[in-house]
Amino acid sequence: EAGVAQSPRYKIIEKRQSVAFWCNPISGHATLYWYQQILGQGPKLLIQFQNNGVVDDSQLPKDRFSAERLKGVDSTLKIQPAKLEDSAVYLCASSNPTAYNEQFFGPGTRLTVL
Amino acid sequence: GQQLNQSPQSMFIQEGEDVSMNCTSSSIFNTWLWYKQEPGEGPVLLIALYKAGELTSNGRLTAQFGITRKDSFLNISASIPSDVGIYFCAGFKMDSNYQLIWGAGTKLIIKP
Repeated sequence: EAGVAQSPRYKIIEKRQSVAFWCNPISGHATLYWYQQILGQGPKLLIQFQNNGVVDDSQLPKDRFSAERLKGVDSTLKIQPAKLEDSAVYLCASSNPTAYNEQFFGPGTRLTVL
Repeated sequence: GQQLNQSPQSMFIQEGEDVSMNCTSSSIFNTWLWYKQEPGEGPVLLIALYKAGELTSNGRLTAQFGITRKDSFLNISASIPSDVGIYFCAGFKMDSNYQLIWGAGTKLIIKP
């Protein structure tokens, strides 16, 4: 079974530029999550989708971050404009509706904002 | 902010030693998860716990769901070099099944 796929793996941009990350979850996983992980910390949930609907986006900085999952499969997270403090690893995870407690993570995208 | 206290923050151990780490909270949890993260990778689920008192093993790893429902423990027996990484506890609180709460991680380092 293929795991969660993410791209790109690394991205370096200057502040005020925009950036987008892509995620393809494990086949059949209806729930998809985007996390931000700052060095030395555990992941912080940004947004959770159930199929193509948003379940929780309470910690998403909506003035600059946006995410979509239009067809209920893959998802895109965008930052516009980026700030220095957005430098982090952005992790995508998915879970099976019958075992929603167990989230499976992709390798992440390491973003550096200069 | 963090709602799980994970300790120790880091551990230096000799190969072959046993390792113990734990997570505590002032809140009651109904699920505890233990993940391992290696450099440049996402966290990998090691063990999932669903009942108070539950003891579950995965090879040399053993985790327990505390009977108070406010803590969990992870033990690694006879550590080997590939055990190096950051171990995270995470859990779902009784009053919220939607957001996974994470500890800050325990970094395991093998002494040369």
